[in-house]
Amino acid sequence: AQSVTQPDIHITVSEGASLELRCNYSYGATPYLFWYVQSPGQGLQLLLKYFSGDTLVQGIKGFEAEFKRSQSSFNLRKPSVHWSDAAEYFCAAYLNNNDMRFGAGTRLTVKP
Amino acid sequence: DAGVIQSPRHEVTEMGQEVTLRCKPISGHDYLFWYRQTMMRGLELLIYFNNNVPIDDSGMPEDRFSAKMPNASFSTLKIQPSEPRDSAVYFCASSSGSPGIQYFGAGTRLSVL
Repeated sequence: AQSVTQPDIHITVSEGASLELRCNYSYGATPYLFWYVQSPGQGLQLLLKYFSGDTLVQGIKGFEAEFKRSQSSFNLRKPSVHWSDAAEYFCAAYLNNNDMRFGAGTRLTVKP
Repeated sequence: DAGVIQSPRHEVTEMGQEVTLRCKPISGHDYLFWYRQTMMRGLELLIYFNNNVPIDDSGMPEDRFSAKMPNASFSTLKIQPSEPRDSAVYFCASSSGSPGIQYFGAGTRLSVL
C-alpha cells in the first residue's frame, strides 16, 4: 500500500542548531514529494517539492530536502533553526492520481 | 491572489444538526480537495474535484457527508446529521494541473457537541 512515514513524532532542538526531519515513502514508483509546514491554528504552507531532476531541493525559509531513491527517503534539513520554525511539519506524496498521502507529522519544538 | 478561502473558521453545533463548510479555491485552479485533520487519524483526503466534477470520493467516511462544486469558484462540504466524532479541522486545497502543488486554506475547526 502507498504510504508516507515520518518516524519522529516530536523533535526538540536548540535555536541555532541544525535540523533534520525524516520522511520515508512506500510506493511502487517514485512519487511526487512535498514538505509542508503547519503553524498552530493555520493551514498548511508548502516548503518545497520534488518532481524530478536535481535530488537536492531548495525551499522557502532556508529549508532544503534531499531525495534518495535508494533509501526511499526525502529528508528535510535546515542548517540553523530559528525560534519561529517551531511548528508541525508534514511530508506528503502522490503518484499520478492526485491522491495525496500525508505522513503523521513531526512536531518541532525550538529551545531558546 | 487571496489564496484559498474557507468559511466559517470555527463552527460549533449540536449533534444532529446540518453543517455546511465552504471553500473558494484560487482562481484558475482546476483541482479542489477536501481534507479532514484529527489527532487520531492525521490528514485524510475526503474527496477531490477536477473541473468541478468529483473524481474520487472514496475517502468520504459515510453517507452523512456530501460535497458539491457547482462552479469553478465555490465548493461545499455538508454533514447531515452531524455527530460528535465529526469534530475535526476540515481543510480545502486547490491546485492547477497534474501534478500540481496544493495550496491550503486556513481550515474550519468543527466542534459537534
